[in-house]
Amino acid sequence: DAGVTQSPTHLIKTRGQQVTLRCSPKSGHDTVSWYQQALGQGPQFIFQYYEEEERQRGNFPDRFSGHQFPNYSSELNVNALLLGDSALYLCASSPRTGGSEQYFGPGTRLTVT
Amino acid sequence: AQSVTQLGSHVSVSEGALVLLRCNYSSSVPPYLFWYVQYPNQGLQLLLKYTSAATLVKGINGFEAEFKKSETSFHLTKPSAHMSDAAEYFCAVSGSGGYQKVTFGTGTKLQVIP
Repeated sequence: DAGVTQSPTHLIKTRGQQVTLRCSPKSGHDTVSWYQQALGQGPQFIFQYYEEEERQRGNFPDRFSGHQFPNYSSELNVNALLLGDSALYLCASSPRTGGSEQYFGPGTRLTVT
Repeated sequence: AQSVTQLGSHVSVSEGALVLLRCNYSSSVPPYLFWYVQYPNQGLQLLLKYTSAATLVKGINGFEAEFKKSETSFHLTKPSAHMSDAAEYFCAVSGSGGYQKVTFGTGTKLQVIP
């Protein structure tokens, strides 16, 4: 049973560019959440998707957007990249019943130069 | 609103000694509480969770945590530290309803001294 997978593993972008990160949830899970983890910090909630809609959003600007596909996989898009967007981006999946644990992928390390 | 506070960004213990990582939470609704571990350059792995059943929760790798409502605490313990326990540990809180987001603490880095 494959767990949560993310691609790519590492990414280097230049300020002002746009980036797309991808996530496939654990089998049987239909809810996907995205987190940003800056160096030395805890993960910060970006948003959560269920039934192809954004259900909750953390304190992130509109430059951060997402999408969920019918197969429950998800994308995170970041426009107009800033140096401060450099971080580990984590995807987590969970079943529809809220409050249960989230299963995390290995993350995508984004470096903005 | 929910939050967690982890006391001590770095904790050092000797191999074989007791591990105690502290977490206090704040929640306006009955919380679900979690401890996750993160090894370098990896994602987060769930150690254990509290979901309003038994207040003493046992997890993987010999870790356990006790939910104390009166103290709003959920401290993580392990009787005897092993070198492989060296990692960063995150306490987290969520509500118990649907579509709940998880709020993480800032993490505690555990060093195990041989």
